[in-house]
Amino acid sequence: NAGVTQTPKFQVLKTGQSMTLQCAQDMNHEYMSWYRQDPGMGLRLIHYSVGAGITDQGEVPNGYNVSRSTTEDFPLRLLSAAPSQTSVYFCASHFTGGQGFEQYFGPGTRLTVT
Amino acid sequence: AQKITQTQPGMFVQEKEAVTLDCTYDTSDPSYGLFWYKQPSSGEMIFLIYQGSYDQQNATEGRYSLNFQKARKSANLVISASQLGDSAMYFCAMRVRGAQKLVFGQGTRLTINP
Repeated sequence: NAGVTQTPKFQVLKTGQSMTLQCAQDMNHEYMSWYRQDPGMGLRLIHYSVGAGITDQGEVPNGYNVSRSTTEDFPLRLLSAAPSQTSVYFCASHFTGGQGFEQYFGPGTRLTVT
Repeated sequence: AQKITQTQPGMFVQEKEAVTLDCTYDTSDPSYGLFWYKQPSSGEMIFLIYQGSYDQQNATEGRYSLNFQKARKSANLVISASQLGDSAMYFCAMRVRGAQKLVFGQGTRLTINP
């Protein structure tokens, strides 16, 4: 049971480049989310998904796209990277139901846009 | 809207002392959950403890306890007998009923001195 996995761990992009951050979970969780963490700040929600084929925007969605074709995978796409997207990105997943469920986080991807 | 406030950017504590990390929250929803996460220098997010708004007793998990004062809207984390390995960033977070996102505070950097 690997939990939540993310690739890559580190990435450097030039302004205007595109890339996809990968996220996968093997716990059969319905819900998956992407957060970003900027220096000195807590995590902020980018996009989330309540199940395969269903996604919605979070607090800071601009510049990012997501899709959820399977329960296991939830990739995050940067279509045209900007320096403002330099951040650490966390993928998370959890079961449905209530508000007491623990959210499992991946190890994070550190992205630098120059 | 929901909001989490952590007013202590940094704290320094001697090893073996108890430490309290402050967290206040704001929500109009009567049903919510409060979480604490630890983020060591390695970057991963580690779940520590959860408190539900209807829980009658304060949550405890080993050396961690949550001092929940509903009327004051505070959910302080207490770490007893601190250890060098407790040095990390600590985040307070909240989820309200029906929402699928966690709202995070800005965090408190805890340093344990030998």
